[in-house]
Amino acid sequence: DTGVSQNPRHKITKRGQNVTFRCDPISEHNRLYWYRQTLGQGPEFLTYFQNEAQLEKSRLLSDRFSAERPKGSFSTLEIQRTEQGDSAMYLCASRMAGSDTQYFGPGTRLTVL
Amino acid sequence: TQLLEQSPQFLSIQEGENLTVYCNSSSVFSSLQWYRQEPGEGPVLLVTVVTGGEVKKLKRLTFQFGDARKDSSLHITAAQPGDTGLYLCAGGSFSSGSARQLTFGSGTQLTVLP
Repeated sequence: DTGVSQNPRHKITKRGQNVTFRCDPISEHNRLYWYRQTLGQGPEFLTYFQNEAQLEKSRLLSDRFSAERPKGSFSTLEIQRTEQGDSAMYLCASRMAGSDTQYFGPGTRLTVL
Repeated sequence: TQLLEQSPQFLSIQEGENLTVYCNSSSVFSSLQWYRQEPGEGPVLLVTVVTGGEVKKLKRLTFQFGDARKDSSLHITAAQPGDTGLYLCAGGSFSSGSARQLTFGSGTQLTVLP
């Protein structure tokens, strides 16, 4: 399978804990995106990488959210000191340069108790 | 801020019926993408339209991009229970940077009853 993969698929954590999610994009895609989706809504853009450079991060929801893509391949999204309002589906997508079309992974469902 | 409004929000129809879902904005988009999402899964791309007035057909699904690139529609002919899902439209931005992030509508939850 050469699609976008995300791990874990589900994460349940207690309020105040830190969580980290991983995204492996399609191998030839150098653009990578993170989105958040809450129930009944479309995905909401969080941040964007071109290769290893994080070129857009102003939409990250707070300073508790951070993302990395150290070698321009996989990416991680970390949420520190989780809150119940962070419960959502976190989606990763990737695309090729020159194309608008983004391909999504299956998402990580986060539940904060 | 670019916004996309999708209608209807919910649609429940009988197998064999036709339906149309609309996606409207006051903003111009570089492209318009339609996705279908199942519960607990990520959105799966159905089509990308990039030219104003463009029409694309995918079996029983017909997608149209408005002439002004501000709106789009998805028409399903003879709907089947397997068409059930959340349909999302997403517009590509003309941002000055390279992000070109997608702006999503809030989705249309389609249920096709057998």
